Amino acid sequence: GAVVSQHPSRVICKSGTSVKIECRSLDFQATTMFWYRQFPKQSLMLMATSNEGSKATYEQGVEKDKFLINHASLTLSTLTVTSAHPEDSSFYICSARMLGRQGNSPLHFGNGTRLTVT
Amino acid sequence: QQQVKQSPQSLIVQKGGISIINCAYENTAFDYFPWYQQFPGKGPALLIAIRPDVSEKKEGRFTISFNKSAKQFSLHIMDSQPGDSATYFCAATTLPFNKFYFGSGTKLNVKP
Repeated sequence: GAVVSQHPSRVICKSGTSVKIECRSLDFQATTMFWYRQFPKQSLMLMATSNEGSKATYEQGVEKDKFLINHASLTLSTLTVTSAHPEDSSFYICSARMLGRQGNSPLHFGNGTRLTVT
Repeated sequence: QQQVKQSPQSLIVQKGGISIINCAYENTAFDYFPWYQQFPGKGPALLIAIRPDVSEKKEGRFTISFNKSAKQFSLHIMDSQPGDSATYFCAATTLPFNKFYFGSGTKLNVKP
C-alpha cells in the first residue's frame, strides 16, 4: 500500500531556533500534501494544503510566515517551524493524496513528528 | 463550526464485544466518509471508507453503516480485541475538493 514517510519522528529544539520536518511519499506521486497539527487527546487540525510547484494554502489562524511549507517535488513536502516557541510544541502529521486520484482517494498519513520546544 | 461530530469521546468494551462509534455531519455535499485508526505516537491509518450510495460496507470485523437521510454514519467493530485499542477518527470530504473534515476522535479501550 501507499507509504508516507515523515522525518524526524521526534525533535527537541531550543526556543528561537527553526526546525524542518520532511514528508515523503515513497511509492506514489502526490500532487497534494496536507499538514496537520494534533494536540494531546484532540483531533487533527488542518494547518495547510500544499500543491506541488505552487504556494501552500493556509487555514485561517495559521501563520504562514511561521510555518513555512515547501512542496518542491511530487514526492516531497517540508514544513519548517521558524523561531519556534514552547507553544509550538505539538504533534505534526503530514498526509498525501495520490496523483490522478482526486476526490475519492484516501489520505495516507505519515507517522508524525513530535516537536518539543524548550 | 464543527463539520463532523463524533461520539462517544471514549469507549470501554470487553474482549469479544461490539464497539460502536457514531458520527454525524451537516454538509449534504459530503460524499466520501473514511474511518481512521490511530495508535499513540503514530499517524492515522485508513481503516475503511464508504460512499453515500451504499448503506453498509464490511471489511473483516469492521463495518460502516451509513444513513444518508439522517446524515449519520457509524463504525462497528465486531469481536473487539485488545489490539483494537486505539483512537478512531471519522472524516468526511466533498468531491473533488481535497479538504478532509475530521471528527473529534474516540478512544477505544478493549479489556481482555
